[in-house]
Amino acid sequence: DGGITQSPKYLFRKEGQNVTLSCEQNLNHDAMYWYRQDPGQGLRLIYYSQIVNDFQKGDIAEGYSVSREKKESFPLTVTSAQKNPTAFYLCASSITGSRGEAFFGQGTRLTVV
Amino acid sequence: KNEVEQSPQNLTAQEGEFITINCSYSVGISALHWLQQHPGGGIVSLFMLSSGKKKHGRLIATINIQEKHSSLHITASHPRDSAVYICAGMIKAAGNKLTFGGGTRVLVKP
Repeated sequence: DGGITQSPKYLFRKEGQNVTLSCEQNLNHDAMYWYRQDPGQGLRLIYYSQIVNDFQKGDIAEGYSVSREKKESFPLTVTSAQKNPTAFYLCASSITGSRGEAFFGQGTRLTVV
Repeated sequence: KNEVEQSPQNLTAQEGEFITINCSYSVGISALHWLQQHPGGGIVSLFMLSSGKKKHGRLIATINIQEKHSSLHITASHPRDSAVYICAGMIKAAGNKLTFGGGTRVLVKP
């Protein structure tokens, strides 16, 4: 079955360490996204990519980096430059054509101690 | 101003009540998604709509393309429906870029 997989579900890291969150899809979707959610807040766009080897910054890209070397994969690295990395991170993918199909990962809860 | 807006931000209901959550968008969309997030939980996709109405159990989602408005209804609400409900529009002019509403926090009291 096609789907989108985010891993891990829970992640703990020490302050000052970079950490990479995984997002993989086998839906042949062109577009992939990363969002961040803080407690009691809505989802905010970090980065998105609509085609392989290309990506754009969202509203809160500072302290994050991404790559899109393969259509199936869109890993997010939370760098030590991110001041408050503890949050819930959501990956999504979608078709860029007219059909409007989108799938959502389960999310990763990152806690930096 | 966000392209996708939800109301209300918070909603409290008694068990058994009918609940309506609204989502309005200001730009053309190819589809609208409704999602559910339980406290401390991940995201669950409920519906994808491009027209009309969909029903799944006690949940009903409707969309009016002309009015740029969608609603999510919960019939005979139950405490286990307590969650954050989020709508997300796929913005046509931006290549179907996903844009989320701010979410509606629903609490159903027994």
